[in-house]
Amino acid sequence: AQSVTQLDSHVSVSEGTPVLLRCNYSSSYSPSLFWYVQHPNKGLQLLLKYTSAATLVKGINGFEAEFKKSETSFHLTKPSAHMSDAAEYFCVVRDDYKLSFGAGTTVTVRA
Amino acid sequence: NAGVTQTPKFQVLKTGQSMTLQCAQDMNHEYMSWYRQDPGMGLRLIHYSVGAGITDQGEVPNGYNVSRSTTEDFPLRLLSAAPSQTSVYFCASSYSWRGARAYEQYFGPGTRLTVT
Repeated sequence: AQSVTQLDSHVSVSEGTPVLLRCNYSSSYSPSLFWYVQHPNKGLQLLLKYTSAATLVKGINGFEAEFKKSETSFHLTKPSAHMSDAAEYFCVVRDDYKLSFGAGTTVTVRA
Repeated sequence: NAGVTQTPKFQVLKTGQSMTLQCAQDMNHEYMSWYRQDPGMGLRLIHYSVGAGITDQGEVPNGYNVSRSTTEDFPLRLLSAAPSQTSVYFCASSYSWRGARAYEQYFGPGTRLTVT
């Protein structure tokens, strides 16, 4: 079975500073990995996905993630946080007929 | 396109009551699924369907039934509600699930269910 572990349950940043959300995966083969975002009381929206085409994946709203096989990591970054980035972020791996979700990282952005 | 729609948005049930959460998509997606979201646990798959007439169990299927008589609709039935089923329920769909391609899943807005 494939799984992901999000290393931080909560990240707090100041507006305009970089954001780093860490995710490690466990997979017996080349995984399909995703980052989803959930704003308060909303559904989930896809930020980006990795499907082995390129190790650096660019997503929406200035986010990007780098797939590192040697470290089994898929960390999400953004160079400059905006107030609208305050949300919960999920690292997700495709596992047979389902998606396996990490526990989530809550991001707060300080003015 | 309305995308993935869910009704109701909120529901309060008493223990032992039954109800159906509705999910519909207008994108002609083959694959549909139901997840529940609980604090600190991410989302967990309840049931899924790879096409009309085909359903299967996910990680946490106990206490829930599904059916898929049309491509568009995928209702989730709670047979006898229990307080442990208090959660937020999300329906999702994607174009397909075949092969290695990672098709994006589209999520509905969720149903917040409380069982007292």
